[in-house]
Amino acid sequence: DAGVIQSPRHEVTEMGQEVTLRCKPISGHDYLFWYRQTMMRGLELLIYFNNNVPIDDSGMPEDRFSAKMPNASFSTLKIQPSEPRDSAVYFCASSLRLVSGANVLTFGAGSRLTVL
Amino acid sequence: QKEVEQDPGPLSVPEGAIVSLNCTYSNSAFQYFMWYRQYSRKGPELLMYTYSSGNKEDGRFTAQVDKSSKYISLFIRDSQPSDSATYLCAGLKQGAQKLVFGQGTRLTINP
Repeated sequence: DAGVIQSPRHEVTEMGQEVTLRCKPISGHDYLFWYRQTMMRGLELLIYFNNNVPIDDSGMPEDRFSAKMPNASFSTLKIQPSEPRDSAVYFCASSLRLVSGANVLTFGAGSRLTVL
Repeated sequence: QKEVEQDPGPLSVPEGAIVSLNCTYSNSAFQYFMWYRQYSRKGPELLMYTYSSGNKEDGRFTAQVDKSSKYISLFIRDSQPSDSATYLCAGLKQGAQKLVFGQGTRLTINP
């Protein structure tokens, strides 16, 4: 398996522009997570899906952020309009619940966003 | 107060040293504790996880959880330059999906 695939790897945009980040989870995984990582705040959960349905979006910073999962093999995180404080590395992760009960996440390589 | 606290470091040690990385947590409901390793410009990857209190060993790595003091540790024996990375601890409640991460500790092993 190719793992969790994210695109683009790097994005530089100007304030006010729309940004769309994409994720392809591992086939067969039924959970998908979007995290944001910054030096100041570390790794923060934004939203997660189970079987393509959003379960918890309490980490989404504000209405400028939206996420969708139209099918089991694709998800997007959109920021509109983007602001400089959105600059961060955005990670997508997918998981399959283990028999033991633990939920072990596999992360993608991340999308590094810079908003000027 | 963050649910999982971790000293961001940086921590620099000579090759071959024993490394101790530590976290504290505040949520008593956490039952699973995980350590992820993140190389520069890569995504975090699971190193190991433990359930409840106790120790777990995997090669040169040992994870330790003390629920009475809400303390999580990762020990690396015979550290290698390839162990240089950021190490993130995380807690998870039973039956839950939201993994809560610490800030991460940046570790450098000097040859």
